[in-house]
Amino acid sequence: KNEVEQSPQNLTAQEGEFITINCSYSVGISALHWLQQHPGGGIVSLFMLSSGKKKHGRLIATINIQEKHSSLHITASHPRDSAVYICAASLVYGSRLTFGEGTQLTVNP
Amino acid sequence: ETGVTQTPRHLVMGMTNKKSLKCEQHLGHNAMYWYKQSAKKPLELMFVYSLEERVENNSVPSRFSPECPNSSHLFLHLHTLQPEDSALYLCASSQSLATGNQFFGPGTRLTVL
Repeated sequence: KNEVEQSPQNLTAQEGEFITINCSYSVGISALHWLQQHPGGGIVSLFMLSSGKKKHGRLIATINIQEKHSSLHITASHPRDSAVYICAASLVYGSRLTFGEGTQLTVNP
Repeated sequence: ETGVTQTPRHLVMGMTNKKSLKCEQHLGHNAMYWYKQSAKKPLELMFVYSLEERVENNSVPSRFSPECPNSSHLFLHLHTLQPEDSALYLCASSQSLATGNQFFGPGTRLTVL
C-alpha cells in the first residue's frame, strides 16, 4: 500500500464544473504538496501546506491533519486545467517527498 | 534564464550506448534531486544531493551514475541501460534539504531500444 493515495485516478468534467481531488496519507508529515503536471512532463508546484486552507485563483487546497487527508478543489473548471494533479507528502524530517500516483483530470469544453 | 532546466528534452539510446542527462538550476538552491517517472507509477526518488554531496541513493542500479560538480549542476550518467529504464527523468531543486518546496525541471523523456 502506497503511503500517499489519491482518488480518483481519472476524472472527466465539463467546463465550469467544481472539481475535487482527494489525497490520504499514512505517515507523519511536515507538509503536503499539490503539484500539476502538464502533457510533456513539466511539474509545477501549486501548494505547500501544513494546516488549514490555501487559495490561489480558482484553486483551493485544504488539509485535515487529524484525519490525514487533503483535498484540491478547482472552481469554474476550464479545459486548460486538464493535467495530472499529484499529491506529495514531505516526511517529518527533511524534504524527501513521497508521491501519490496522480489524478488525470480532463475538462471538456 | 531562470528556474530549473534539463537537457536534452528527449533521448533515444541503445542498450550499449553511454549518455548523460544534464540539469541546471538558476535559483541559488543547495539541494538537487533526480526522479524517475514511469508510466502509471508514482514518481520515484533516485538520488539526492546537498551541497554537492550525495545524501541519498535510493537502491538505484549502478548503470545510473549521478554527478554533482557544483550546487548549480547535476548530471545523470547512463550506461548499458535496459528497455525498462525508459521513462521521464525529472530533476528538481530546493533551497535546502530542510525545505520541502521543490522546483522541477521539464524532464528528459528517455527511450531505450
